[in-house]
Amino acid sequence: SQTIHQWPATLVQPVGSPLSLECTVEGTSNPNLYWYRQAAGRGLQLLFYSVGIGQISSEVPQNLSASRPQDRQFILSSKKLLLSDSGFYLCAWSRRGTVSTNEKLFFGSGTQLSVL
Amino acid sequence: GESVGLHLPTLSVQEGDNSIINCAYSNSASDYFIWYKQESGKGPQFIIDIRSNMDKRQGQRVTVLLNKTVKHLSLQIAATQPGDSAVYFCAETVPGNTPLVFGKGTRLSVIA
Repeated sequence: SQTIHQWPATLVQPVGSPLSLECTVEGTSNPNLYWYRQAAGRGLQLLFYSVGIGQISSEVPQNLSASRPQDRQFILSSKKLLLSDSGFYLCAWSRRGTVSTNEKLFFGSGTQLSVL
Repeated sequence: GESVGLHLPTLSVQEGDNSIINCAYSNSASDYFIWYKQESGKGPQFIIDIRSNMDKRQGQRVTVLLNKTVKHLSLQIAATQPGDSAVYFCAETVPGNTPLVFGKGTRLSVIA
């Protein structure tokens, strides 16, 4: 069966510090991978998605970047965090194919990031 | 469509009653729809999906209804239980190379 791992679960970082959140998927090959952000009590905002190694699509221009160094690894990074980067970050995967091939997303457990 | 900047509407339901959560989607070309449940501090979990060639699909205690004429999707939960308390999101996909678009979400609060 497929599983998705996301860590850390919580993170408190000072403004201006770097960020690295990691997500890995097991039990499937060549998945589509996604990073979402969710502000408290709000909806889901798509940040990045990837259909293959080294292929990153950005949905929202911002202070963050994403990388996919391996097939089942997706990393969210920032060189200098802003207060507005605080939120609940979710990684997700779907089966291979184009991102709109009617495939459901499977989400990780999330990382609660607080930038102080 | 995606409305990430809005506070979530809330639906309060008595335990044992049926719940109906509504979603208006934005794109008439959308051909696949999903409902997710998100408990506090956790990632969203898949509940049920429906393709645009259907107007109704049933799962265990849940039913999704799709009205393409008015671009409306609903999730019905039978005999609502305290464990159903969560935020529920609808999501849609449109033909073409674009990811799922999530609705703004509805918070379901079950009163014991």
